[in-house]
Amino acid sequence: KAGVTQTPRYLIKTRGQQVTLSCSPISGHRSVSWYQQTPGQGLQFLFEYFSETQRNKGNFPGRFSGRQFSNSRSEMNVSTLELGDSALYLCASSWAGTSDTQYFGPGTRLTVL
Amino acid sequence: LAKTTQPISMDSYEGQEVNITCSHNNIATNDYITWYQQFPSQGPRFIIQGYKTKVTNEVASLFIPADRKSSTLSLPRVSLSDTAVYYCLVAPAYSGAGSYQLTFGKGTKLSVIP
Repeated sequence: KAGVTQTPRYLIKTRGQQVTLSCSPISGHRSVSWYQQTPGQGLQFLFEYFSETQRNKGNFPGRFSGRQFSNSRSEMNVSTLELGDSALYLCASSWAGTSDTQYFGPGTRLTVL
Repeated sequence: LAKTTQPISMDSYEGQEVNITCSHNNIATNDYITWYQQFPSQGPRFIIQGYKTKVTNEVASLFIPADRKSSTLSLPRVSLSDTAVYYCLVAPAYSGAGSYQLTFGKGTKLSVIP
């Protein structure tokens, strides 16, 4: 079966702009989680959506938001970009949630100039 | 909040068994422990998951002592292709009781030497 896909794979933005990242989960998975990965902080949990509802949220400012559609596809939005938002953004899908086996996508590499 | 601690890096020769330990002193009763492998430019990939005692699958074993304050990922007879970063994740099964935190370790960079 097809894996988790993320678009775009690479993105360059300037400070102050906003960005929307997309994630298509494995068919049948209802949980989608988002993570930020940086060399200094490692993998940090952003939020989890399950059946269109945000079920859990990490310690990130309100500039980071997301949503999930009825087909389980998810989008993540970052408004008023800062240089420190440069990172690899990963999404993962699973049947039941973050304690279940998560299948990660290849990530979106965001560079903020 | 179960903070996790792992060694930053480890080196091993091909064919040896490698054990990577993750400390999670504040693990909660309903937390599960999951290990992931990540290669450069790829997302993490599931290796193994456990709650207590020992779990084994075709690629690894996971040892969890009775107090569950640590876990050890064991990779038998490593090869060059096992060179990667290994992460432990402590996360609870969702209970419907509201938000919870989940914590990835900073990762252990394993280098397998020929």
